[in-house]
Amino acid sequence: KAGVTQTPRYLIKTRGQQVTLSCSPISGHRSVSWYQQTPGQGLQFLFEYFSETQRNKGNFPGRFSGRQFSNSRSEMNVSTLELGDSALYLCASSGTSGGNEQYFGPGTRLTVT
Amino acid sequence: AQSVAQPEDQVNVAEGNPLTVKCTYSVSGNPYLFWYVQYPNRGLQFLLKYITGDNLVKGSYGFEAEFNKSQTSFHLKKPSALVSDSALYFCAVRDSPTGANNLFFGTGTRLTVIP
Repeated sequence: KAGVTQTPRYLIKTRGQQVTLSCSPISGHRSVSWYQQTPGQGLQFLFEYFSETQRNKGNFPGRFSGRQFSNSRSEMNVSTLELGDSALYLCASSGTSGGNEQYFGPGTRLTVT
Repeated sequence: AQSVAQPEDQVNVAEGNPLTVKCTYSVSGNPYLFWYVQYPNRGLQFLLKYITGDNLVKGSYGFEAEFNKSQTSFHLKKPSALVSDSALYFCAVRDSPTGANNLFFGTGTRLTVIP
């Protein structure tokens, strides 16, 4: 099976711009979660989508949003970018709820200048 | 509230020696516990998990972890370290199944295996 893919891998944006990141989960996985990884804050949960519905949300401002399509692919959008949004954004997919482990993509490295 | 603590930022071990990476957790219900490893410029790779059952869990690449409910710990172990084990290790927890898949991660422990 192909793993979780994320595009683009690297992105440079300017403050105030918006950005959209894409994630394709493992085939058959319906849950997609997004995480932000920074040196200062570590790994933080952004939100989870399951069957096109946001099922859970972390403690991030409304500038961070996402969606999931009928094929389980997910996008994450960040509007009005701030310098502090520079991070590695990781997407993870899993098969069902419960204890199933999440499989992570390689991440998108976002740099805001 | 859920939380994970990895008390050591850095662990150094000689190649061939046993290694331990520590993790303690706090959840309100029954914990689901995970270990992940991250290599430079890569995403996280799943190593092992504890859901229920035997307290000793075996995972990928020869790693294992011991769940200790009384000490709320889930330490990662390997009998004989390899240089290729050098990486960043994360412990993660989620509460009993609520239908949501959000993991709470520790701050990570950088393991260096010295040849």
